[in-house]
Amino acid sequence: DVKVTQSSRYLVKRTGEKVFLECVQDMDHENMFWYRQDPGLGLRLIYFSYDVKMKEKGDIPEGYSVSREKKERFSLILESASTNQTSMYLCASRGGLNGYTFGSGTRLTVV
Amino acid sequence: AQSVTQLDSHVSVSEGTPVLLRCNYSSSYSPSLFWYVQHPNKGLQLLLKYTSAATLVKGINGFEAEFKKSETSFHLTKPSAHMSDAAEYFCVVSDRDSGGGADGLTFGKGTHLIIQP
Repeated sequence: DVKVTQSSRYLVKRTGEKVFLECVQDMDHENMFWYRQDPGLGLRLIYFSYDVKMKEKGDIPEGYSVSREKKERFSLILESASTNQTSMYLCASRGGLNGYTFGSGTRLTVV
Repeated sequence: AQSVTQLDSHVSVSEGTPVLLRCNYSSSYSPSLFWYVQHPNKGLQLLLKYTSAATLVKGINGFEAEFKKSETSFHLTKPSAHMSDAAEYFCVVSDRDSGGGADGLTFGKGTHLIIQP
């Protein structure tokens, strides 16, 4: 089974801090994604990457950046965390025909 | 453009009774459709998917869904609810050609399933 591992389950950060959310997959998938999940809004795509060093903006990229230096790792960066970025963040990778696998999520609270 | 509407934000059923979670979609092309389940503090787990083969799709944990093109629906059902089914359920449509979201996936807003003892 494909595994997508998000390094932190819970994070609490202060406003203005730089925050790194890490995601690692073990199946050599080319495509990786970052979503945020908020009650009543479902999942919204922040950024995705289709290869090493390649990235594309999703639907809500403002306030975020990403890094993909190695195929297995896709990092989401909050340059200066704000309270409206308090959310659940989900990483996913895709392999095969629509074969998405999601990580367990990181619940970020910005105070 | 594609869209997904989950018709109920919350559904409450008694243990042992049938479950129906409703989903309607719109898509310009032949879509792939999915149901995902998310238990508290967990990631999303794929329940089942439709990719233009049989219209009745069987998934894990006794769930199934029927693709009805004429009704643009993909409702999720289970004959008998179990307490462990309590979770959030997401209907998802994938149509990369129509550009619904940069990755071609469009998520419904979710249905919270409550199981009464």
